[in-house]
Amino acid sequence: DGGITQSPKYLFRKEGQNVTLSCEQNLNHDAMYWYRQDPGQGLRLIYYSQIVNDFQKGDIAEGYSVSREKKESFPLTVTSAQKNPTAFYLCASRSGGPFNYGYTFGSGTRLTVV
Amino acid sequence: AQKVTQAQTEISVVEKEDVTLDCVYETRDTTYYLFWYKQPPSGELVFLIRRNSFDEQNEISGRYSWNFQKSTSSFNFTITASQVVDSAVYFCALSEVYTGTASKLTFGTGTRLQVTL
Repeated sequence: DGGITQSPKYLFRKEGQNVTLSCEQNLNHDAMYWYRQDPGQGLRLIYYSQIVNDFQKGDIAEGYSVSREKKESFPLTVTSAQKNPTAFYLCASRSGGPFNYGYTFGSGTRLTVV
Repeated sequence: AQKVTQAQTEISVVEKEDVTLDCVYETRDTTYYLFWYKQPPSGELVFLIRRNSFDEQNEISGRYSWNFQKSTSSFNFTITASQVVDSAVYFCALSEVYTGTASKLTFGTGTRLQVTL
């Protein structure tokens, strides 16, 4: 079945370490997104990418980096510059057609920095 | 800039009660999409409905119904005869129409619904 796979489901890291969250989709979707969720703050957009080798900053990109070397993959790196990285991270994808607005979400990665 | 407001942070109801979750949005776009998602404790987002800005018809799907009123920029969600399984966080979201760059979903802060026996 097609879908988005985020791994791992839970991730623990020491403060000051970079960590990379995986997001893979087999839906042949063009656009991919990373959202961060904190309690009481809803989902906020970190980065998004419309096509391979292209990506744009979202609302809270500071302290994060991404790459889009393959259509299927959109990994997110949480760097040591991110002041408060503990959060729930959700990856999403969407077909690139102008009138297709079906977003598909992964099951998320819960990152805890100790 | 787009904005979605869900003023109700948390709602508690007893099973079989009806409950309405409010959603108010702001956008300068004349064409846009509105969504509702359900997030159970497991964390994944479950898609409930998508509505484009040209379609103001209300929609009913089983116990769920949606009231879209463009005049008040609202897209409210009603659950009739609530059940314990409806307990979750519900998000309203707004998406601009594709204009040559990747459209983005803007989420509200969510409403936590607790349904008890």
